[in-house]
Amino acid sequence: ELKVEQNPLFLSMQEGKNYTIYCNYSTTSDRLYWYRQDPGKSLESLFVLLSNGAVKQEGRLMASLDTKARLSTLHITAAVHDLSATYFCAVEFGNEKLTFGTGTRLTIIP
Amino acid sequence: DTAVSQTPKYLVTQMGNDKSIKCEQNLGHDTMYWYKQDSKKFLKIMFSYNNKELIINETVPNRFSPKSPDKAHLNLHINSLELGDSAVYFCASRHTGGTEAFFGQGTRLTVV
Repeated sequence: ELKVEQNPLFLSMQEGKNYTIYCNYSTTSDRLYWYRQDPGKSLESLFVLLSNGAVKQEGRLMASLDTKARLSTLHITAAVHDLSATYFCAVEFGNEKLTFGTGTRLTIIP
Repeated sequence: DTAVSQTPKYLVTQMGNDKSIKCEQNLGHDTMYWYKQDSKKFLKIMFSYNNKELIINETVPNRFSPKSPDKAHLNLHINSLELGDSAVYFCASRHTGGTEAFFGQGTRLTVV
């Protein structure tokens, strides 16, 4: 069964701190995507990771992919309030099937 | 200018009714999706079409019927609406073979 799990589901952190969101998946894949969703809004693409060892960075966010461990991480550096949102990873399995993780609801506290 | 557009944005309807949601993309993509997002924010894939052909059909009640008249459009028709159908439905599109999907703004369906 295809499973994509994120940890934690909820994260409340103070501004200026660092933290990591984890995305584990159950079946071999080398294509993983991270998305951001603000309340009541659509999903916005953040990162595309297409090979083992891929690392992408944008501002205070950095994503990486370890296909052997079936694990991706989204690292937040020196969090700011603007980063409060729900973050999803999505794993591409065969036949164009994009399966989303459970989501991590991130709240940055001043 | 909108890349993936859905209509309507909001839909409130009574149990038992039949309704449709429309989706159009102007990105030239050849794969389109329907996702359902429930109240806990879980996103579940429902259907996927590639060049107008159905390629993914998840465990969805057959009251839900997708239709793709061409590769730029993917509509979702729902018969005999039930309370449990209340959710946000997202349409998405992408190029086949490994790029990110682009999402529409969502349709919030409320069944009363």
